[in-house]
Amino acid sequence: AQSVTQLGSHVSVSEGALVLLRCNYSSSVPPYLFWYVQYPNQGLQLLLKYTSAATLVKGINGFEAEFKKSETSFHLTKPSAHMSDAAEYFCATTNTGNQFYFGTGTSLTVIP
Amino acid sequence: DGGITQSPKYLFRKEGQNVTLSCEQNLNHDAMYWYRQDPGQGLRLIYYSQIVNDFQKGDIAEGYSVSREKKESFPLTVTSAQKNPTAFYLCASSIMVGGLQPQHFGDGTRLSIL
Repeated sequence: AQSVTQLGSHVSVSEGALVLLRCNYSSSVPPYLFWYVQYPNQGLQLLLKYTSAATLVKGINGFEAEFKKSETSFHLTKPSAHMSDAAEYFCATTNTGNQFYFGTGTSLTVIP
Repeated sequence: DGGITQSPKYLFRKEGQNVTLSCEQNLNHDAMYWYRQDPGQGLRLIYYSQIVNDFQKGDIAEGYSVSREKKESFPLTVTSAQKNPTAFYLCASSIMVGGLQPQHFGDGTRLSIL
């Protein structure tokens, strides 16, 4: 069965510091992986997606993620946090597109 | 602009009442989904539909019902059998081309009990 696990339900970083949000996947076949961001009382917006074309994926708003098969990980990073990055982040996976499986989310707080 | 529209944004339900949440998309997507979001639990799949007049139960379908009479519409009814309906409900859609295309989400409906 497919699933993703997000380590750390809350992460706090100082403005300008590195952002690292962790996601590990479990899949018996090569997965497709996604990171989404959710602002309060809104839907999810796609940040980036991995579809096996390249292991380092660049997304919107300066975010990127690296697919590491040996570690079954797809961690999300941003070199320098901005106040506007404060939100909830979700990792998700699918292998067919019929069903998507979401992690439990990581709430990012950016400290001025 | 193409997108997904959910309405209403806020909804209140009385005990024993059925309520229907609307979801409309103009993205020409084949697949549509309903998720329930509770704090600390992420998104849980209620129902999904791959094609008109067909839908499948997700992980937490009990107490909910859906219909898919038109490609662009996928309404969700929260029935009186759902004893804990207070949550944030998200509708999503995706193109049915393998797993390469991500889901697009509406802005959600927040349901509360009076």
